[in-house]
Amino acid sequence: DAGVTQSPTHLIKTRGQHVTLRCSPISGHKSVSWYQQVLGQGPQFIFQYYEKEERGRGNFPDRFSARQFPNYSSELNVNALLLGDSALYLCASASDGGGTYEQYFGPGTRLTVT
Amino acid sequence: EDQVTQSPEALRLQEGESSSLNCSYTVSGLRGLFWYRQDPGKGPEFLFTLYSAGEEKEKERLKATLTKKESFLHITAPKPEDSATYLCAVTGISGGYNKLIFGAGTRLAVHP
Repeated sequence: DAGVTQSPTHLIKTRGQHVTLRCSPISGHKSVSWYQQVLGQGPQFIFQYYEKEERGRGNFPDRFSARQFPNYSSELNVNALLLGDSALYLCASASDGGGTYEQYFGPGTRLTVT
Repeated sequence: EDQVTQSPEALRLQEGESSSLNCSYTVSGLRGLFWYRQDPGKGPEFLFTLYSAGEEKEKERLKATLTKKESFLHITAPKPEDSATYLCAVTGISGGYNKLIFGAGTRLAVHP
């Protein structure tokens, strides 16, 4: 079975630009979460979506937004990029937004802002 | 505030030298504690879920245990391919949804 997929793998952007990252969850999983991982740190929670509804949001500015589509895939958008947004962006899927807590991660998108 | 602290930050072992990694946590209403393995530049790979104090899980050379305040990941007779960063995460009842709170990880290097 295919795991969580993310695209693109790598991305280089300039300060002030915007970026869209994409994620497809494991087949049958309805919950998608996004995390940001800065080098040397653990992942930090950004958003969680379940059945196209936002379930939770971490401590990130409004420049970060996301959405989930009817097929449960998801997009993370970041506007007005800053140098500090350079990180590995991880998508994780789970089978149920509430009852099952295990989350499975994709390979990530490495974003570099110059 | 929910929090996870992992120690040591880095650990160097000789092949076959067993050791333990520590994960201390503070969480409101623990729903689960998770261990992940992460190789450089890749996404975390799920290893174990522990739900209640006293629970233990095993997989090959790895064994995870849980108490009310901490979890240990025991590595028995490690091999060089066990070299990776090991991440601990918790999820609790706050907010009504299941976000993972991660520690900074332990970087394990196993030398032949």
